Amino acid sequence: DAMVIQNPRYQVTQFGKPVTLSCSQTLNHNVMYWYQQKSSQAPKLLFHYYDKDFNNEADTPDNFQSRRPNTSFCFLDIRSPGLGDAAMYLCATSRDLGGNEKLFFGSGTQLSVL
Amino acid sequence: AQSVSQHNHHVILSEAASLELGCNYSYGGTVNLFWYVQYPGQHLQLLLKYFSGDPLVKGIKGFEAEFIKSKFSFNLRKPSVQWSDTAEYFCAVSRIKAAGNKLTFGGGTRVLVKP
Repeated sequence: DAMVIQNPRYQVTQFGKPVTLSCSQTLNHNVMYWYQQKSSQAPKLLFHYYDKDFNNEADTPDNFQSRRPNTSFCFLDIRSPGLGDAAMYLCATSRDLGGNEKLFFGSGTQLSVL
Repeated sequence: AQSVSQHNHHVILSEAASLELGCNYSYGGTVNLFWYVQYPGQHLQLLLKYFSGDPLVKGIKGFEAEFIKSKFSFNLRKPSVQWSDTAEYFCAVSRIKAAGNKLTFGGGTRVLVKP
């Protein structure tokens, strides 16, 4: 059974048109992450939530925002997508923030920007 | 900032061949080391991890990895691969920071095992 669920699997948007990607988890984990993975590159952490505390990576563009209305759900909002934002977006969770925590990943949402 | 390098982007080999994927990291402090695997059409999942103790770590599906601190390396090995090992493999490193912890991934190695 899927424990970290991302919808939709594929998302197409237009240049400059806001888009929201969703992630839900059934693990009741404290931490939720959003990674961006461009073709043939490493997944890159955009931000994470520890419970309700939002932690943005220093190099994450302002164009990317996130919301976590409750433990189970986390959203990635791209306010004005550019062509360079086309990528696979991965949601992940972990029980806690310790360095030895295992991450559980969703299947990702492949975003295309036309 | 820490970084993770995986030496090979693509590896093609036949069933029963031995596999070794290289991984080096740049951070000089205490690190936790992981290998994640992504099978075709599936999500990333943990293959094995090293935190402390025996530097030779056994994972699932016959994989193992050896942490060599002096070389900043954490290479993944499997003595005899199967067709089902076709996947993309990611090395990842984490360290404890005051504000929390995060994983830094390598660029991944795509492994194709020919039947």
